[in-house]
Amino acid sequence: QVQLQESGPGLVKPSETLSLTCTVSGDSINYYWWTWIRQPAGKGLEWIGRVFPSGVTEYNPSLKSRLTMSIDTSKNQFSLNLKSVTAADTAVYFCVRDHYFDNSGIRVAFDTWGQGTMVTVSS
Amino acid sequence: DIVMTQTPLSLSVTPGQPASISCKSSQSLLHSNGKTYLYWYLQKAGQAPQLLISEVSSRFSGVPDRFSGSGSGTDFTLKISRVEAEDVGFYHCSQTLQTPRTFGQGTKLEI
Repeated sequence: QVQLQESGPGLVKPSETLSLTCTVSGDSINYYWWTWIRQPAGKGLEWIGRVFPSGVTEYNPSLKSRLTMSIDTSKNQFSLNLKSVTAADTAVYFCVRDHYFDNSGIRVAFDTWGQGTMVTVSS
Repeated sequence: DIVMTQTPLSLSVTPGQPASISCKSSQSLLHSNGKTYLYWYLQKAGQAPQLLISEVSSRFSGVPDRFSGSGSGTDFTLKISRVEAEDVGFYHCSQTLQTPRTFGQGTKLEI
């Protein structure tokens, strides 16, 4: 059973870069897209973007100018870098398996989530 | 971006009674392949969301059959036939037809 674990600093200063890593265990990272989603306190979920093992990425246009995602298949890890952060980037960040297809051909989306990591942007 | 709108935003239900949550999308979620990419998640307090329903009505593994999804095009509904105490939390709908993926505001279910 696949498991995801986020890691990274819990506090980032304004204008600096937020960097998080997600470690995948229980399955190979090579078969799926991998996604980051965030949730400010008391608010809804925001899709940040996703990365494929080949390195292909898709980003939320609202964050694209500040965002870089990467993947290290040798370590079964994928990463998020968000530069020039402000207080508006304060949120719980989740890494998520994007989707797979079940035996019936159903696209099962966001089926596996990390526990989430709280990142606060403050000086 | 596809805007997802949930109603109500808050719901209080007596155990054993049914509950229903609506989700409307700003454009049809029907793909040219005939599939509709609407999903439901439950987020319990202090936890990550957990998948309940895929493609409008397909229950995820381990999800009790008291949960059901229906709808088409732009209008969708999640129903709980008999609410139990463990069902409390925030319910989120989501679309994966297009990027960016988008979510509804969330509906808080209380007992």
